Amino acid sequence: AQSVTQPDIHITVSEGASLELRCNYSYGATPYLFWYVQSPGQGLQLLLKYFSGDTLVQGIKGFEAEFKRSQSSFNLRKPSVHWSDAAEYFCAVGGQAGTALIFGKGTTLSVSS
Amino acid sequence: SAVISQKPSRDICQRGTSLTIQCQVDSQVTMMFWYRQQPGQSLTLIATANQGSEATYESGFVIDKFPISRPNLTFSTLTVSNMSPEDSSIYLCSVDGDLNTEAFFGQGTRLTVV
Repeated sequence: AQSVTQPDIHITVSEGASLELRCNYSYGATPYLFWYVQSPGQGLQLLLKYFSGDTLVQGIKGFEAEFKRSQSSFNLRKPSVHWSDAAEYFCAVGGQAGTALIFGKGTTLSVSS
Repeated sequence: SAVISQKPSRDICQRGTSLTIQCQVDSQVTMMFWYRQQPGQSLTLIATANQGSEATYESGFVIDKFPISRPNLTFSTLTVSNMSPEDSSIYLCSVDGDLNTEAFFGQGTRLTVV
């Protein structure tokens, strides 16, 4: 079955600390992987995406993610978290054009001062 | 990239009524997708709408409850029929980029059923 697992429902980090959000996927074809962020009352914003090539991808707002095929993982990282990063983060997997994305349940990030 | 306009952005509706949500894209796209995001939950695919054919519904979603129209390559509607409080959710329209480079999302319709 195709699925995305985000094991951490809620994470709290101190401002300035590093962050890693975990994502594991199960997908029958070549996966295209995405991280989206959703702030309260806002729409989905794409942080970064992976299709092929370099397994370490850079995104917006200082985020990066590493694709590890052997572990079926696509973890999101940021070296120094800002208070404005507090939001809901969704990992998603898709396939070829014309296929919908499958989303994980999301991780809520809180940032403490 | 694709810009998606979704209307209405929010609505409060009486139970038993229906609401039609519109999704307009600024370019022609083959597939359009409708998702539901229940409060505090992730996105769940309702159906895939391909122009010129019936929408394909995911398990747990039926056409009588969520009829979809796709009259052309830039527009689609989703109707939430005979609403109950359990239908209170955010409904999002989405399209593929070229070669599935990413999925573009509308801002969503926040529906509250009272």
